[in-house]
Amino acid sequence: ETAVFQTPNYHVTQVGNEVSFNCKQTLGHDTMYWYKQDSKKLLKIMFSYNNKQLIVNETVPRRFSPQSSDKAHLNLRIKSVEPEDSAVYLCASSRDRVNNQAPLFGEGTRLSVL
Amino acid sequence: QQQVRQSPQSLTVWEGETAILNCSYENSAFDYFPWYQQFPGEGPALLIAIRSVSDKKEDGRFTIFFNKREKKLSLHITDSQPGDSATYFCAASGTGGNNKLTFGQGTVLSVIP
Repeated sequence: ETAVFQTPNYHVTQVGNEVSFNCKQTLGHDTMYWYKQDSKKLLKIMFSYNNKQLIVNETVPRRFSPQSSDKAHLNLRIKSVEPEDSAVYLCASSRDRVNNQAPLFGEGTRLSVL
Repeated sequence: QQQVRQSPQSLTVWEGETAILNCSYENSAFDYFPWYQQFPGEGPALLIAIRSVSDKKEDGRFTIFFNKREKKLSLHITDSQPGDSATYFCAASGTGGNNKLTFGQGTVLSVIP
């Protein structure tokens, strides 16, 4: 099956902890993304990686950092979570960033910060 | 600044009716407009997309109408089914080697049997 896979599905943690979310795509795409979807369902891009190079960083807080081992994997680490980090984090990938291919999304990781 | 706006915020139609979801944008550089469908607890799924060189794109019961001059587009869902009940997002991106999608705030569609 080819798709975008995210783990874990849910994560509950306390303020100040470090968390890490995994994302893998088996579509052979060149570009991967992390989006944040808040409680109002607003979707905002956080990072994108193309050929292991960061090409978009939407001025997210420095406690967020993407980590990529190869073009099929893009993990997201949050160092010292804050209450406002509670959201759904969506990983996505696309084949070609130049020709504007719509990203395909994973199911999301739901983070609750207590 | 909300560069992509959707209306209405929520829409209720009867089964069999046509649902019309609206979207407008501000950036003239936007030339690619995908629509996504999202069910509760799932990620957004690509539904249909249009490029600015076209004024209409059809895929089964889903049709995008695009008006470049007015910077508006709409998604028409004909013969709406209860299974179409979901949140629909309009998105936009431009050229320049940066496939950054800007999303609207979504329209929640409810189809009543």
